[in-house]
Amino acid sequence: AQKVTQAQTEISVVEKEDVTLDCVYETRDTTYYLFWYKQPPSGELVFLIRRNSFDEQNEISGRYSWNFQKSTSSFNFTITASQVVDSAVYFCALSEVGTGNTPLVFGKGTRLSVIA
Amino acid sequence: DGGITQSPKYLFRKEGQNVTLSCEQNLNHDAMYWYRQDPGQGLRLIYYSQIVNDFQKGDIAEGYSVSREKKESFPLTVTSAQKNPTAFYLCASSIETSRGGTQYFGPGTRLLVL
Repeated sequence: AQKVTQAQTEISVVEKEDVTLDCVYETRDTTYYLFWYKQPPSGELVFLIRRNSFDEQNEISGRYSWNFQKSTSSFNFTITASQVVDSAVYFCALSEVGTGNTPLVFGKGTRLSVIA
Repeated sequence: DGGITQSPKYLFRKEGQNVTLSCEQNLNHDAMYWYRQDPGQGLRLIYYSQIVNDFQKGDIAEGYSVSREKKESFPLTVTSAQKNPTAFYLCASSIETSRGGTQYFGPGTRLLVL
């Protein structure tokens, strides 16, 4: 069965610090997709990134970077030089292509607070 | 602008009452989804639809019903059978009907029981 674990419930950092949000997943599929979403206080989920299981290249987008390691079933998200606007709940999610009844399974989220 | 709209933003339900949450998208997406979010929890899938006039139950469909008569619209009815409906409800859509498609979300509806 597919499962996503975000062990960090809440993280607080001071502005300009780097912070890494952890995501560990479980799946029996060989083909799957991983996602990160941001949920600011307004409530709407904002899509950040999608990676497929065959692409283990790390990705960088501005201050955001993602580290995908199949060997440890992890897809971690790092924010460099954090800003107050980064304060939000961040969700990691998994979609199995071949099996599983649910199109997308979410972790319980990590609440990030960036303090000025 | 293209996007997903949900209405109302806040909805109050009395005991024994059915209420309907609206979700509309103008992205020309085929697939649409409804999720429920409880405080401190992730999102749980209620129903999803990959094509007009067809939909499937998600993990927590009991007490809810949906319809998909138009591609743009996927309303969710919270029936009186749903005993604990207080939650934040999010609608999403994706252009791909196959698994793995990126889902884009609306602003959500917060449902409260009076």
